[in-house]
Formats: sequence, structure tokens, C-alpha cells
Amino acid sequence: EVQLVESGGGLVQPGRSMKLSCAASGFTFSNYGMAWVRQAPTKGLEWVATISYDGSSTYYRDSVKGRFTISRDNAKSTLYLQMNSLRSEDTATYYCTRGFAYWGQGTLVTVSS
Amino acid sequence: DVVLTQTPPTLLATIGQSVSISCRSSQSLLHSNGNTYLNWLLQRTGQSPQPLIYLVSKLESGVPNRFSGSGSGTDFTLKISGVEAEDLGVYYCMQFTHYPDTFGAGTKLELK
Repeated sequence: EVQLVESGGGLVQPGRSMKLSCAASGFTFSNYGMAWVRQAPTKGLEWVATISYDGSSTYYRDSVKGRFTISRDNAKSTLYLQMNSLRSEDTATYYCTRGFAYWGQGTLVTVSS
Repeated sequence: DVVLTQTPPTLLATIGQSVSISCRSSQSLLHSNGNTYLNWLLQRTGQSPQPLIYLVSKLESGVPNRFSGSGSGTDFTLKISGVEAEDLGVYYCMQFTHYPDTFGAGTKLELK
């Protein structure tokens, strides 16, 4: 069974950093591209970043380019999202997803002073 | 960016009623490889999104066949033939034909 479990969320001050993790199991992680999607409170879904199966290619939405870094450790079957210079508008539940067919339960990031 | 416009924003239905949700794209979602990367997702209250339909009309494994998807180019529809209580929630269309991937604003299905 495919499982994606996010962790690392919480309360963080504006301008600070946070790193999210997504532990994958139930499939050969190194064979699949992965993505992060976020959802601000009471809002819709918003794609954040995608990484290729081997980590060689990464893609970001404009509003996070230069601040967020998506990465992966295929030996650990884990996806990451390093978030720097956080802003209040980054407040959201962050989901990792495999192909938009499998989703984790999400981890809430709140950016507030 | 591709804009996906979903209508209606809210849908009131009774159990057993058939309903449809429209998703219109600001540009054609037909990829140069011949595929149309238009998916539908359902997010129940307090839950993660779950996939329903991919490539316009293909049902994800385990999805009841009362769900169906249709359309082409810029105009797509999700139909539920006989709403059940477990179908309540917010439905999203999404595309990944064009970078960046984008989502519609959602259609909330509620009981009348």
C-alpha cells in the first residue's frame, strides 16, 4: 500500500526557515517524480514544486522560486521541502503527492509572529 | 498560467440526484503527445484530496462507476449519476498539460 507521511510543520516566524519531510513507503520511491501541493486555510489547492525521479530536474511556482528548495533522498525514500524567508502567505497545509494519485495527510505550516 | 474555471461554485443535491460539474480551461489541454492531462479530485472535509478521474475520463482504481468524466480541448465535465452521502465535499479539476500545474477553485457539493 502506498503511504506518504509528511512531517516538520508548525509555527514559524516570518523570515525564518523550516524543512518539511515526506516519508514514502509501499512503492519504489526512486522510480517516481514527486510534488508538493499546498492549501491555505479555507482556500483551494496550489501546486508548489515538483522533482523528477532522480532529482535532476526541479520546478517551482513563481512565488516560491529562490526561497523554497525541493529535494529527495532515494536511499531513504524521503522527499523534502526546504522553505526559507517564509512569509505569512506561505501559511498552509503542505501535501506531498505522487502523480496527484497518492497524497499524504498533510502538515500545517503557520507563519506568524 | 492556465486558468481552470469551475462551475457552479456550490452544488446542492439530494441523495440519488444526478449532478454535473463543469471545468473550463483558458487554453487547450491537449498535449503534443496526444494525451489530455485533466484530472478530477475530491476533498472531503478534514481530509486529503483523493483522486477520482485521470486523463479526462479514466476512473481511478476503487472509484465507483457512478462517477464519469468527459470533455476535450478546453471544456470538461464531471458527472455523478446518483449522489450518495459519501460524495459530499469539494471537487477540484486540475491540469498538468502545461507548466505550471494548476487547479480549479473547487465546487462544493452539499446536501439540499
